[in-house]
Amino acid sequence: ETGVTQSPTHLIKTRGQQVTLRCSSQSGHNTVSWYQQALGQGPQFIFQYYREEENGRGNFPPRFSGLQFPNYSSELNVNALELDDSALYLCASSSWLGRLGNEQFFGPGTRLTVL
Amino acid sequence: AQKVTQAQTEISVVEKEDVTLDCVYETRDTTYYLFWYKQPPSGELVFLIRRNSFDEQNEISGRYSWNFQKSTSSFNFTITASQVVDSAVYFCALNPPESGNTPLVFGKGTRLSVIA
Repeated sequence: ETGVTQSPTHLIKTRGQQVTLRCSSQSGHNTVSWYQQALGQGPQFIFQYYREEENGRGNFPPRFSGLQFPNYSSELNVNALELDDSALYLCASSSWLGRLGNEQFFGPGTRLTVL
Repeated sequence: AQKVTQAQTEISVVEKEDVTLDCVYETRDTTYYLFWYKQPPSGELVFLIRRNSFDEQNEISGRYSWNFQKSTSSFNFTITASQVVDSAVYFCALNPPESGNTPLVFGKGTRLSVIA
């Protein structure tokens, strides 16, 4: 059974640029959630995708957008990068059982640095 | 509003000592789930336990144990006979119910250092 994978591992961008992060969900999982983890903080929910549709969103601006593909893999896109976007971006996959109690399996994350 | 507080930012213990990580949560809902995750230096969050709000039985898994007390909204985590490999950041998280749009609300984490 393949776990959650993310690419790239590390990324350095400059302010104003755009970035795309990728996530492959664990085999058998149909739901992907993205989290942003700033240094020294807990992860914060960005959005969740289920059956290729956004299924919940946290308090992040529209320049954070995403996609889910038919194979349940997902992308996180961030436009007009700001210095505060520097963080570890975590992807988590789960099987949809309703909103409650899903065990989410996390990938290793992508560390984004914005200069 | 849902909130998770982990008041201990950093804890250092000597190997073989017992250590308890505190977690206090806030929610108005009667049905919810609580989680603990471990984040080693590699960055990946490792699932440790899930507990639903109707099950207040304490749980033990090897050297790990959890004490859930609904009356005080706490879900504390104890490591017995700590080992260097236990060094990591530990997060407590709350899963709000159907009305929420956030799968998991995390605390800020507690960094545990176990010294040999």
